[in-house]
Amino acid sequence: GENVEQHPSTLSVQEGDSAVIKCTYSDSASNYFPWYKQELGKGPQLIIDIRSNVGEKKDQRIAVTLNKTAKHFSLHITETQPEDSAVYFCAASGPSSGSARQLTFGSGTQLTVLP
Amino acid sequence: GAGVSQSPSNKVTEKGKDVELRCDPISGHTALYWYRQRLGQGLEFLIYFQGNSAPDKSGLPSDRFSAERTGESVSTLTIQRTQQEDSAVYLCASSPSVGDNYGYTFGSGTRLTVV
Repeated sequence: GENVEQHPSTLSVQEGDSAVIKCTYSDSASNYFPWYKQELGKGPQLIIDIRSNVGEKKDQRIAVTLNKTAKHFSLHITETQPEDSAVYFCAASGPSSGSARQLTFGSGTQLTVLP
Repeated sequence: GAGVSQSPSNKVTEKGKDVELRCDPISGHTALYWYRQRLGQGLEFLIYFQGNSAPDKSGLPSDRFSAERTGESVSTLTIQRTQQEDSAVYLCASSPSVGDNYGYTFGSGTRLTVV
């Protein structure tokens, strides 16, 4: 089955700096890669996703890049703000045919933005 | 409803007791998923339902765990003879369609503590 590795497990940045979180996946058939933000006491919330037919997607201060050859994808947050502090999870999913239907999640990154 | 609703939000139970967790998905979402999140860890897939198809139970950790869903509505996750290692947050998510790999919408979870 799919295996998703996420690094780093913790990340502290100064307010205004950029933060980068990286994930690798094992199943070359995976074609959907979402990122979730989880604040304390809440469920994860989808913040951005990318499909395998594009290499980069941007939404205001957040962007995701995908390298299918190397099987890794990254989350980039620019101009970080204290409210960006949370746990971030990457995930991967294969096509709906076959058994790879559910999202496989990384282990999470605790991001702390220092004021 | 506007989002995925889970109840109870917190549950403390004695070891050996049975517990039932409830999830109300977003109306019209055909797919429903249960995940387990142990403290400080990532999300572990348990089971998913897609319409009237047979559920994918491949993530259930033991035969003490079971789940039901009637049509495209409420789902219940039952844990029998609870053990201390069952302590975790149980998250439910729904999505419009598995086939299109749409992002999940998560509930806030049920925090289960087995004492």
